[in-house]
Amino acid sequence: GEDVEQSLFLSVREGDSSVINCTYTDSSSTYLYWYKQEPGAGLQLLTYIFSNMDMKQDQRLTVLLNKKDKHLSLRIADTQTGDSAIYFCAERGSGNTPLVFGKGTRLSVIA
Amino acid sequence: EAQVTQNPRYLITVTGKKLTVTCSQNMNHEYMSWYRQDPGLGLRQIYYSMNVEVTDKGDVPEGYKVSRKEKRNFPLILESPSPNQTSLYFCASSSLGDTQYFGPGTRLTVL
Repeated sequence: GEDVEQSLFLSVREGDSSVINCTYTDSSSTYLYWYKQEPGAGLQLLTYIFSNMDMKQDQRLTVLLNKKDKHLSLRIADTQTGDSAIYFCAERGSGNTPLVFGKGTRLSVIA
Repeated sequence: EAQVTQNPRYLITVTGKKLTVTCSQNMNHEYMSWYRQDPGLGLRQIYYSMNVEVTDKGDVPEGYKVSRKEKRNFPLILESPSPNQTSLYFCASSSLGDTQYFGPGTRLTVL
């Protein structure tokens, strides 16, 4: 089956930029997503990108997609302690196929 | 307010005692899904439903049942829970092909 891979941990200092990377195997991916899960909470959709886009920016968040390498990244500028959470990458193939999630990257922000 | 609700939020039970976790959405979404989240394994899909009376197995359906008698509800049934079903469960819904919205999660402990 299709697979989504992410590194499990990332630690950054407050005010620095964070970059969370994700790779996927489904060459027919149509949408790619980033979800945020704060401690004890559900998943919150942060942003998503269509597969025909290279970049999407939304305030402090920048998503970069390299479709050739099947690589997706999420950059958080000026990282704050409130950004500490687990970030999940997910992709959806063509049609109405279910989402495939990565295992999540735990971002720790050091004050 | 558009939302996905789950009940109960926390449940401690014993092996073999049937239980149901309810999921309800008020967004008229066709697609609903159940996931379990375990440390080191990320999110894994249990069952999903494309519409009323249409359900399909996800990646880890063993030991679970679902039903979709109405569009808004998608209960998860554990006929005979076992300790390996101790997990954090999320329900999600979406319009077909659209982004998924997640419920707050149900933390289940099976003793």
